[in-house]
Amino acid sequence: EVQLVESGGGLVQPGGSLRLSCAASGFTFNTYWMNWFRQAPGRGLEWVANIKEDATEKYYVDSVRGRFTISRDNAKNSLYLQMNSLRVEDTAVYYCANTYFCLGGRCYPDFWGQGTLVTVSS
Amino acid sequence: DIQMTQSPSSLSASVGDRITISCRASQGIGNDLGWFQQKPGKAPKRLIHAASRLQSEVPSRFSGSRSGTEFTLTISGLQPEDFATYYCLQLNAVPVTFGQGTRLEIE
Repeated sequence: EVQLVESGGGLVQPGGSLRLSCAASGFTFNTYWMNWFRQAPGRGLEWVANIKEDATEKYYVDSVRGRFTISRDNAKNSLYLQMNSLRVEDTAVYYCANTYFCLGGRCYPDFWGQGTLVTVSS
Repeated sequence: DIQMTQSPSSLSASVGDRITISCRASQGIGNDLGWFQQKPGKAPKRLIHAASRLQSEVPSRFSGSRSGTEFTLTISGLQPEDFATYYCLQLNAVPVTFGQGTRLEIE
């Protein structure tokens, strides 16, 4: 059974940093592109970033490029999102998701975790 | 970025009804569109990819279609478990982008 468990969310002040983690099991992690999505409270879904199986390709939505960094550790079956210079508008539930198929960064997500809440507020 | 305009934003229906939800792309995206279902407090679940290809575990009452840049999700014979929010997602270009969502409520 595929399981994706996010952690690392919490309350942080504007300008602060957080590192999200996603622990994966139930599938061969190192053969899948992985994604981060987010959903602001009461709002719709937004893709944030994704990373190729071997980490040689990474893509970001414009609003986070230069502030967020996606990475993975295939030995630990884990995905990460380092978030720096956080803004109030980054407040959201952050989901990791594996991929049903992917074409050069254009990925159709498959299974999603339950999410971790990031709140940016002073 | 490709904009996805989804309509309606909310919809009330009854068990057994047939409903349709639409997404219009701001430019041509071929069949590079998927549909997702999300229930309150839960993660999204994939339903359809390539505009009309149903995921294997999804009931056949769900279907998808395309006409030009307009995409439609149809649910024929609503079941109680279908009341949720639905999103389209275009996969033609990075960044992949979602429609605003359609909240399907019990009438």
